Amino acid sequence: AQSVTQLGSHVSVSEGALVLLRCNYSSSVPPYLFWYVQYPNQGLQLLLKYTSAATLVKGINGFEAEFKKSETSFHLTKPSAHMSDAAEYFCAVTKVNTDKLIFGTGTRLQVFP
Amino acid sequence: SQTIHQWPATLVQPVGSPLSLECTVEGTSNPNLYWYRQAAGRGLQLLFYSVGIGQISSEVPQNLSASRPQDRQFILSSKKLLLSDSGFYLCAWSVTTGYGYTFGSGTRLTVV
Repeated sequence: AQSVTQLGSHVSVSEGALVLLRCNYSSSVPPYLFWYVQYPNQGLQLLLKYTSAATLVKGINGFEAEFKKSETSFHLTKPSAHMSDAAEYFCAVTKVNTDKLIFGTGTRLQVFP
Repeated sequence: SQTIHQWPATLVQPVGSPLSLECTVEGTSNPNLYWYRQAAGRGLQLLFYSVGIGQISSEVPQNLSASRPQDRQFILSSKKLLLSDSGFYLCAWSVTTGYGYTFGSGTRLTVV
């Protein structure tokens, strides 16, 4: 069965520092993988998605993620954090033969000045 | 362009009262529709999904039900709310595998 694991429920960085949010997946078939961002009391917004094209995926707001099959990972990065990046981030994988998404438990990113 | 509307934004209801949350999608036809719940400090739990009018699948046994009376309308209901029904409810739609979801803005439900 598909699943995703997000390592670290909270991550804190200084403004301007590298952001690295970790996501590992488990899937018996080539997966579709997604990163979503959620600001307080709002819905989730799609940041980027991997659908078996390029392994390095660029998304909105300067984020990118690299699909590494050998490591079953899809970590989210941003070279320089901004205060406005403070939010909760969710990694998700598509359930086989459906378009239902299985979400990780989320990582809350704090950015300090 | 496609949009998704979800209302109300916040709701405070007493235990034992009924519930009706509505979600509508514009700009697309025959979407797959989803209801998720996000409890405090927890991830997203899929409650219901629908691939067409009148077609509802439940992912978890619970006090809630869902209906899809029209192609782009998805309703979450309860006859009698429990305290444990409190949470942030999100509606979402998709059209095909690999597309991902588009989420509504959510409803914060507090059962008191």
